Amino acid sequence: AQSVAQPEDQVNVAEGNPLTVKCTYSVSGNPYLFWYVQYPNRGLQFLLKYITGDNLVKGSYGFEAEFNKSQTSFHLKKPSALVSDSALYFCAVRDETGGFKTIFGAGTRLFVKA
Amino acid sequence: GAGVSQSPRYKVAKRGQDVALRCDPISGHVSLFWYQQALGQGPEFLTYFQNEAQLDKSGLPSDRFFAERPEGSVSTLKIQRTQQEDSAVYLCASSLVPAGDMVVGELFFGEGSRLTVL
Repeated sequence: AQSVAQPEDQVNVAEGNPLTVKCTYSVSGNPYLFWYVQYPNRGLQFLLKYITGDNLVKGSYGFEAEFNKSQTSFHLKKPSALVSDSALYFCAVRDETGGFKTIFGAGTRLFVKA
Repeated sequence: GAGVSQSPRYKVAKRGQDVALRCDPISGHVSLFWYQQALGQGPEFLTYFQNEAQLDKSGLPSDRFFAERPEGSVSTLKIQRTQQEDSAVYLCASSLVPAGDMVVGELFFGEGSRLTVL
């Protein structure tokens, strides 16, 4: 069965500092990994995805994520945080044996302080 | 419109009432998903349509939940005899790519329908 773990409920970082939001996953087959962001009273917005190829994936708003197969992780990163990055971030996974479902983690709230 | 549209945005129902939630996906998107998001939780999969065919309904929590997409575009999620535990945000998402395709497309989400059952 597929599963996603986001071990931190909240991440606090000062503006201008690098940020990392952690995600680990468990799948049966090859993983397809995603990050989404949710702003208050808004739907989820796609940030980036890993399907195959280069382990470092670049996405929207300067975010990137690194796929690590041996550690089954897909951490979201940004070199310099902005106050406007404050939001709820969800890691999600599908695999080729998991049918049609995309499974989401519980979410991590990122708070960037000015 | 350019994005996924859901209505109503907010719905308050008395326990036992039936409710219907509508999703208008992005034009041309083959795949349509419904998710349930409880407060403080991540979205939980409910059901998946590829065009008009409901290919996976394994996430529907009970037989009170029913979804349809009769013409392969607009979808309706119906909840009969609502219970307090049905209170949640119901998210609809669409994708251009069929979910079974090896090139996996990202999901485009609507803003959700917040259901409160009293």
